[in-house]
Amino acid sequence: GAVVSQHPSRVICKSGTSVKIECRSLDFQATTMFWYRQFPKQSLMLMATSNEGSKATYEQGVEKDKFLINHASLTLSTLTVTSAHPEDSSFYICSARDSARARGEQFFGPGTRLTVL
Amino acid sequence: AQSVTQLDSHVSVSEGTPVLLRCNYSSSYSPSLFWYVQHPNKGLQLLLKYTSAATLVKGINGFEAEFKKSETSFHLTKPSAHMSDAAEYFCVVSDTGNQFYFGTGTSLTVIP
Repeated sequence: GAVVSQHPSRVICKSGTSVKIECRSLDFQATTMFWYRQFPKQSLMLMATSNEGSKATYEQGVEKDKFLINHASLTLSTLTVTSAHPEDSSFYICSARDSARARGEQFFGPGTRLTVL
Repeated sequence: AQSVTQLDSHVSVSEGTPVLLRCNYSSSYSPSLFWYVQHPNKGLQLLLKYTSAATLVKGINGFEAEFKKSETSFHLTKPSAHMSDAAEYFCVVSDTGNQFYFGTGTSLTVIP
């Protein structure tokens, strides 16, 4: 149980295009999902907290107009990198918190490797 | 405020010898603490977690960690390293479960 999937696992795109990454909780409902970014050999950096049915909360320094987050259902959150540039190349990881658990862990997706040419 | 310090960015051990990955935390609340492992180009896998129950927590693959409030530590140990343990390890502290604070990670190398 508590499986989180991400799609795609890897994407290569041209500079200026937009890329959408999906994060799904497969066997539980997630009121809250999180989006992280990880640069090579570095730790995870929280980008934003995604709440079902409301606007995402972005961390300081993260451009909300560039990284669009939509959490339209209890099992799906999407991150769209708009007008991607090479500096956006990174490993993007989502996580989801099980709404049925009062206080618990986050379940992480396998990550999406984005390469912008 | 919550924070995590992983004292070693890199640890090397010989196969079959003990592993110790150190983690100290700072928390204003009664924290939940986690250890995650990440293999190259993979997502994070939970090794173990502490959520105010037993202070000695046993996880998967023979790992365990002890919560020591007086030392604000949550070090990860394993009696005997295996080649497959080579990976990046992250210590994480959380207050309510909503916000996770990651350490900078410790890269474990296992020498055959």
